[in-house]
This record gives sequence, C-alpha cells and structure tokens, in this order.
Amino acid sequence: EVQLVESGGDLVQPGGSLRLSCLDSSSSYWLGWVRQAPGKGLEWVANLNFDGRRSEYVDSLKGRFIISRDNAKKSLYLQMNSLRDEDTAIYYCVRDASFGRLDSWGQGTLVTVSS
Amino acid sequence: DIAMTQTPLSLSATPGQPASISCKSTESLLHSDGKTYLHWFLQRPGQSPQLLIYEVSRRFSGVPDRFSGSGSGTDFTLKISRVEPEDVGVYYCMRGVNPKTFGQGTKVEL
Repeated sequence: EVQLVESGGDLVQPGGSLRLSCLDSSSSYWLGWVRQAPGKGLEWVANLNFDGRRSEYVDSLKGRFIISRDNAKKSLYLQMNSLRDEDTAIYYCVRDASFGRLDSWGQGTLVTVSS
Repeated sequence: DIAMTQTPLSLSATPGQPASISCKSTESLLHSDGKTYLHWFLQRPGQSPQLLIYEVSRRFSGVPDRFSGSGSGTDFTLKISRVEPEDVGVYYCMRGVNPKTFGQGTKVEL
C-alpha cells in the first residue's frame, strides 16, 4: 500500500518562500501536488515523473512553484516562492498512476500566507 | 479556458435512493490513445480526497459497486444506485490530461 506523508506546512509572510516535502513509501513513478484553499475545491498544482525530467504545472503557478524529487530519500518537494495570500491552502501529495488517476493521497499539510 | 462544470453543486440525498451528478467539459476528453481520462473523487468530511472512478467508468479498488460512471466526449455522470450514509461528502470530477482540472465539487448530504 502506498503511503504519502507531507510535511513543511507553516505560517509564512507574503512574499516569502516555503518548501514542502512528501515521503513516498513506494517510490512511485509520477508524484504530484494538489491544493485546497479553506472551504474551497481542489486545484491541481504540479506533477513530476520518476527521474525528475518531466514536470507539469498549472499555468497560473509556473515560475513561482518548483517541483522536484530525491529518489534516494523517497521524497517529493514543492518549492514555493513569492507566496501570496491566495496560496493559503492544504497541500496534498498525490500519486498519479496514469493521466490524472490520483490513486493515493497524503493527509495534507497546511500552508498559511499572512502578515 | 478549459472548464469542468458539475451539476448540481449541492444534493440532498435519501438513503436507499439513487443519486446522480453531472460533469461537463468545455472540450472533449477523448485522448488520441482512445481512452477518456475523466475521473471521480470523493472527499468525506475531514478527510483527504479518494479516487472512486477512473477513465469514466472503472471502479477503483475497494469502491462499492453502487457507484458507477458513464459518459463520453464532454458529458459524464456519476451515479449512486442506493445512497448510504457513508456516501456523504463532496464529489469532484477531474480532467486527467493537461491542464488537469477539477470540477467545482458537488456536496452530497442526507
């Protein structure tokens, strides 16, 4: 059974940076991030293949967020820069089994952007 | 912009009775490989979302057979044949090809 455990969520000021981590028990091929603002719906953020050479991002976050992974540490990361109030959300780590078939989700980590 | 539109946004269901949710895409989800990458997720209160149905109609492991998915092209439907109390939550459809896009969600209550 795949287990995904996120960490790194915190309170950060607007304009600041934060790096989220996700520990993957099974070294999944494609991993990604989905976020959910308080009381809102789901928004797909980005994903990355196993060797880290193929990444995909939602257009609105390109250039501010960077997804990466370290397979030796079985970890996925999301580097978030120039954070804005609207980036406040729970960030879920997900396994993408194939074309958006998100068959495993972590418990989420909360990022709060506020002064 | 590509959009996934769910209706209704809120649904009051009766235990033992059927329920259905519609999901419409602004463009066809039929991929060049012949598959249609439309998936359904359920987020129960206080929990992470979970996969219910993938590729329109394939039930994910462990999902009860009262859940079924259908549709093609741009129009899709999730049906619950007999609603159970544990089916309460928010249901999302999602376009699986880029740009990956979720519907707004449909809140199902009893």
